[in-house]
Amino acid sequence: DAGITQSPRHKVTETGTPVTLRCHQTENHRYMYWYRQDPGHGLRLIHYSYGVKDTDKGEVSDGYSVSRSKTEDFLLTLESATSSQTSVYFCAISGSSDTQYFGPGTRLTVL
Amino acid sequence: DQQVKQNSPSLSVQEGRISILNCDYTNSMFDYFLWYKKYPAEGPTFLISISSIKDKNEDGRFTVFLNKSAKHLSLHIVPSQPGDSAVYFCAASTETSGSRLTFGEGTQLTVNP
Repeated sequence: DAGITQSPRHKVTETGTPVTLRCHQTENHRYMYWYRQDPGHGLRLIHYSYGVKDTDKGEVSDGYSVSRSKTEDFLLTLESATSSQTSVYFCAISGSSDTQYFGPGTRLTVL
Repeated sequence: DQQVKQNSPSLSVQEGRISILNCDYTNSMFDYFLWYKKYPAEGPTFLISISSIKDKNEDGRFTVFLNKSAKHLSLHIVPSQPGDSAVYFCAASTETSGSRLTFGEGTQLTVNP
């Protein structure tokens, strides 16, 4: 299995609070991704990174920002969490091929 | 605009029989297709892939078929086992997508003993 960890694994927060999720990889892969999984929607791309300090928006990027200051870490920030951001968040990585490898996920609940 | 669609939210089969999961796509630029399996409370795991230059790829009990003219791919699992019970996602990418994948909604497969 690819070396990907996510932290925290579970979080409950209140509307309006900032939240940061962390993805850490030990594979030295170039590409990193953040997805959210919701019933009936599959996996939807939030943001992705193609290198240190190189990031771009995915299909559901509103309300989210990302940062990648090191190859191994990709942070997802919800500046002001809303109930619609309650979801399961997955980080993924890929190297030279299009095959992505996923982390274990973070379950976020916004009350 | 759902470019990758899995029309069956769920599928139930008997142990030992064949499971066939289907996926349709609309973007003719897709040239690489993947299937992922997901157990509850875990991340998706890569199962099998196929390039658009092929129409079949096999790996053990798993075979993926690609019909480019119909923009359709399917995953066959033979024989099905109870441990195969999971959500299966198909995904696709284009040469210019920068390794980004577009996922279908997923199909819950239940294999009954």
